[in-house]
Amino acid sequence: AQKVTQAQTEISVVEKEDVTLDCVYETRDTTYYLFWYKQPPSGELVFLIRRNSFDEQNEISGRYSWNFQKSTSSFNFTITASQVVDSAVYFCALRGGATNKLIFGTGTLLAVQP
Amino acid sequence: DTGVSQDPRHKITKRGQNVTFRCDPISEHNRLYWYRQTLGQGPEFLTYFQNEAQLEKSRLLSDRFSAERPKGSFSTLEIQRTEQGDSAMYLCASSERAGREETQYFGPGTRLLVL
Repeated sequence: AQKVTQAQTEISVVEKEDVTLDCVYETRDTTYYLFWYKQPPSGELVFLIRRNSFDEQNEISGRYSWNFQKSTSSFNFTITASQVVDSAVYFCALRGGATNKLIFGTGTLLAVQP
Repeated sequence: DTGVSQDPRHKITKRGQNVTFRCDPISEHNRLYWYRQTLGQGPEFLTYFQNEAQLEKSRLLSDRFSAERPKGSFSTLEIQRTEQGDSAMYLCASSERAGREETQYFGPGTRLLVL
């Protein structure tokens, strides 16, 4: 079975603080894909990143960075110098190599206070 | 390039009524997905199409649900005899490539409330 766990239900930070959102996944597939999506109050899921299981290189994009560790089955997301506009629900998702559907975690609500 | 669009954005209906939602994928995207998201949860897969062929359906998709993509472009999701438990956000996504390069891009969703 495939599963994504986002243990942090809600996180509240003050603007300019760094924040890390945790994601732990379970899969028996040797090839799989991990994703992060952002869901602002408007409801639309915005794609942030895709990472393939055979590529453990971490990635940085502006204030965003992702730490993929197969040894701990984790794919954590860090926002540096958070801003109010970062306030949203963030979802981690998994897609197995032999399937097309995304398996989502329950999401983490990030509130950035000014 | 416009994104995925969904219509309507909101729908309020009475229990027992039928409702139909429409999704227009990103142009040239041959894969189209439907997900359902209830409050406080992540989206759950319902079904997906490659061109006009419906290739997979979730157990969540009861007999009251039907989805079509007749010409391989837009898709409709119909719920017959709605129940209060059908209240949710219905999300549509589309993708262009299969396999390792596939990324699903989501629309704004249709929020359904069944009274």
